[in-house]
Parts: sequence; structure tokens; C-alpha cells
Amino acid sequence: DQQVKQNSPSLSVQEGRISILNCDYTNSMFDYFLWYKKYPAEGPTFLISISSIKDKNEDGRFTVFLNKSAKHLSLHIVPSQPGDSAVYFCAASQQAGANNLFFGTGTRLTVIP
Amino acid sequence: DGGITQSPKYLFRKEGQNVTLSCEQNLNHDAMYWYRQDPGQGLRLIYYSQIVNDFQKGDIAEGYSVSREKKESFPLTVTSAQKNPTAFYHCASSIQSAYNQKLFFGSGTQLSVL
Repeated sequence: DQQVKQNSPSLSVQEGRISILNCDYTNSMFDYFLWYKKYPAEGPTFLISISSIKDKNEDGRFTVFLNKSAKHLSLHIVPSQPGDSAVYFCAASQQAGANNLFFGTGTRLTVIP
Repeated sequence: DGGITQSPKYLFRKEGQNVTLSCEQNLNHDAMYWYRQDPGQGLRLIYYSQIVNDFQKGDIAEGYSVSREKKESFPLTVTSAQKNPTAFYHCASSIQSAYNQKLFFGSGTQLSVL
């Protein structure tokens, strides 16, 4: 039973435009959310996180938005760069510091120069 | 250079054989984790360890075993009881913190059955 879902397996965006990656979850007890980025032949690396007490968190070109009522979060990348081309995983847990993260299936982003 | 090293990158298992995947970290992290990823699915937690000589089952621990004799090392054994072991295995570590869940991952091991 997939509690965290990324319904778009892939996304292509022109360089300089906005990339929007979406993530939905089913467990209303989740209150901490993270995005990881994965390049081929490397492990995932942490990108950005958000706690359920906030609805937005920003770090440079990356912004995560959380809509708790819709159980939906999104990652915005502005402007998109070719180096952003990677697989992006959304993850969730019931509390920050908890030992079990539930991961989505990933979205492959391709930024076209 | 601090990080997590997983070996081997590729591993083949014969029927009825146990195989061990290695994971070493030099980040001085207390917590270590093993995740499994199947094609088209998210990562699922197999086992985790918060301190030396202690570990807990994750969601899919059946057919796997681990040990944590040293802080730096968290090897995963895929036993013959695991009937569908073909998958990509991720090892990760983190600072044990109530406020931080930033996992650091190794580059993974692809396990296939011959």
C-alpha cells in the first residue's frame, strides 16, 4: 500500500522555466516531508524539507509547498537548470526524527537546454 | 572525504544462497538504515539501527538479517528465506535527532538472482 504517491513518472521542462513536481499522501498522521534528488549511479541526496506547521519552505531556487487539507505537496524549481535533471523522491514521516520514512516512487525530471 | 560506502555495486545470488551486502560510513552517525527499492516503487525500510548492538525491523524485514557490531558498519544479509531478493538496496545513515531526518545515502547495490 503506497502511502506516498508521485503520479508523474517523468517531466520535461525547458531550461529557465519552472519545474513543478507533485506528491500526494494518504496518511493524515504524516507531519514531516522531505524531497530527495538522485543522479544515476549515486545515492539520493537530501534537497529540502517542510514541517506540517508551515505551508511553504524556500531554499534558493527550490520551494516546497504543503497543502495539508488536500494531503498534497509540491516542489517548485525556478529557474530550472540542466543540472537539475535527476529523479526526485518525495518522502514523509509521522514526526521529524522518526526512523521510518515513506518514499514515493520518484519523478524523473529532464531539463532541456 | 566523509560518506557512505556500499559494496559490491552488483551482486548475484544463486538459489538457496545467503549473500551479504556491505555498508560502511565515516560520518560518525549514530543511526543507519537499509532500504529496498523495486522497479516502479518507492524505497521501503528493511532494518534500522540507532546505536551499536541494537537494531529494529522495518516494514519488510522478513528474509533479511543485520548486525551492528561497530558504529561504522551495518551489513545486510539476504537469506535464502527471501524468495524475491532481486532489487536495488540502499544503505543510509543519519544523526540521531528529534528535529532532523536528513539521511545520507550510499550509491547502492543491485542484487540479482541467477
